[in-house]
Amino acid sequence: ETGVTQSPTHLIKTRGQQVTLRCSSQSGHNTVSWYQQALGQGPQFIFQYYREEENGRGNFPPRFSGLQFPNYSSELNVNALELDDSALYLCASSPDSWATEAFFGQGTRLTVV
Amino acid sequence: AQSVTQPDIHITVSEGASLELRCNYSYGATPYLFWYVQSPGQGLQLLLKYFSGDTLVQGIKGFEAEFKRSQSSFNLRKPSVHWSDAAEYFCAVVTTSGGSYIPTFGRGTSLIVHP
Repeated sequence: ETGVTQSPTHLIKTRGQQVTLRCSSQSGHNTVSWYQQALGQGPQFIFQYYREEENGRGNFPPRFSGLQFPNYSSELNVNALELDDSALYLCASSPDSWATEAFFGQGTRLTVV
Repeated sequence: AQSVTQPDIHITVSEGASLELRCNYSYGATPYLFWYVQSPGQGLQLLLKYFSGDTLVQGIKGFEAEFKRSQSSFNLRKPSVHWSDAAEYFCAVVTTSGGSYIPTFGRGTSLIVHP
């Protein structure tokens, strides 16, 4: 049990729609990061937030955006969904930075049809 | 840009046998190195990590890994595999960019354990 919870666990959306995925981090964890894991692949880093500011981003287009809130929760928003966005989305929280340890949630399985 | 290679997509071992999972990285300096394990339907769990110092690091569940700078490798080992070790294993490197720590994962190695 990592103390990181994600909701919903599964989601089906139609191409072109928008989706919001949620993550609740451990209390006191100032860093949250989000990942896309396609079937049979490793997690790909989308971005991370430190104390509500984005401070690192992977190779994802601007239609992937996020927010981090003072209560240690965060959101991943994806606009204009494409079929290739179908994947497991993971969030991870860390006490300060990735240099310590990242605690992962169980993920949200997004299917775009 | 950094990259991580896990050359083995699947590895099959018998219960009780030894295990070595390979990981190679490409980066100009020594990154932070991690091994994570993912069981079906679960998130990732940290097995061990290397930042600096002793190149042989011990982790949870009896795993260890050795950092070899000359080979840019960080291979994961276990002397005796248990059936419960069957899972997906990911090597990750974390590098710094503009004051941020950026993780890059390998594609994973699926471990199959035969009784």
